[in-house]
This record gives sequence, C-alpha cells and structure tokens, in this order.
Amino acid sequence: KAGVTQTPRYLIKTRGQQVTLSCSPISGHRSVSWYQQTPGQGLQFLFEYFSETQRNKGNFPGRFSGRQFSNSRSEMNVSTLELGDSALYLCASKVRTGENIQYFGAGTRLSVL
Amino acid sequence: GQNIDQPTEMTATEGAIVQINCTYQTSGFNGLFWYQQHAGEAPTFLSYNVLDGLEEKGRFSSFLSRSKGYSYLLLKELQMKDSASYLCALYNFNKFYFGSGTKLNVKP
Repeated sequence: KAGVTQTPRYLIKTRGQQVTLSCSPISGHRSVSWYQQTPGQGLQFLFEYFSETQRNKGNFPGRFSGRQFSNSRSEMNVSTLELGDSALYLCASKVRTGENIQYFGAGTRLSVL
Repeated sequence: GQNIDQPTEMTATEGAIVQINCTYQTSGFNGLFWYQQHAGEAPTFLSYNVLDGLEEKGRFSSFLSRSKGYSYLLLKELQMKDSASYLCALYNFNKFYFGSGTKLNVKP
C-alpha cells in the first residue's frame, strides 16, 4: 500500500509569488491535514480537509488556503509569499476526521528568496 | 496555546536507556502522542497515551501523568538508527499540537 505522497519535494520561490503544493493520501484515507514545520516553531497545524470540506483550521493568515478533490487528493496554496514562509510543509492522512492515528508524507521543502 | 516543552537536544550512548521528557500546560486533551522523525523524512507514529500510566511497545515506552502535566518517551537498548528527532503532540478536538521536538544523538 503506497504511503502519503507529496509533490514537489523541493521548491524555490521569490517573495510575492504564489505556490501550490500537492498531497495524495493513502488509498482509502479521506482526511488530509497540512502542517508547517520550522526549526523555531516546530510543527504547526494549518488545516484539515475531509470529504472536500475544511473541517479544522489553525492560526495562519488567509494567504494560506487549501482544497480537497473528490479523490481525496489535496492541494495547499500560499499566496504573496514572504521570507518567513520558508519551511517544510507536511501533509498527513487518516481514514476519517476524528481519527487520532495519522500518517505523514515526507514533505515539501519550500525556500522563499 | 498548549505550551508544550521538550529539551532541544540530547546525547546518549548506544545500548543505553534514554528518557525524553515533555511538559505541557493545558486544561484538557484527548491523548498525547509521540512521533519519530529522521532528518529529511516523514514523522512516524511511535506511541500514544490516553490514560495515565505506561504504554510499552518493544524498545519504546511512553508514560503520561495528566495531573502533573508531564509525559516521557523511554528508549531502551539504544541503536544508532534511533538518532532522530522525537516529537511530542497533544491531540484535542481533532487537532494536533506539537512541541518543537527533541533531537537525539546516539553515539557509539
């Protein structure tokens, strides 16, 4: 059974640009959560999608948005990139919202120059 | 916030036992989780506690005391491959709140 797949693995952007990251969950998993990981802040929850609807949201500005498709794949978009957005972005999938066991992808390393 | 605190870095010797502590300040939560993350890789689930007490899974054990706001992860018979970051996380209302992680260096 394939794990959680995130693409691309690495990305370099400049300030002001926007970026879209992709996450394909484990087959049969319908919940996808997104996290930002930085050395200073650790892993911080961005949002969770289940059945194409955002179910939970963390404390991030509106520049961070996401969506989920009918096949449970999810995308995360960051607009008007700032230097501070440089981070590892991880997604995690689980069978359904409310489950407490989640499986992480290897992440997308975003560098904003 | 959940104010989750972990030591930044620890060093231990191969074959030894190491305890990684996690303290938190929150009024309530559903469970406390431990993840392992090797550099450049995905975090992987290790253990979790819902009730106070010790949960043992092979060489790894996790302990929770809700009244003391304290958890620890115990790693026995350390191996070089245990060199990684260990993340403590609280699970509450369908959200995970992570600590900054403890980087464990295992030396021969």
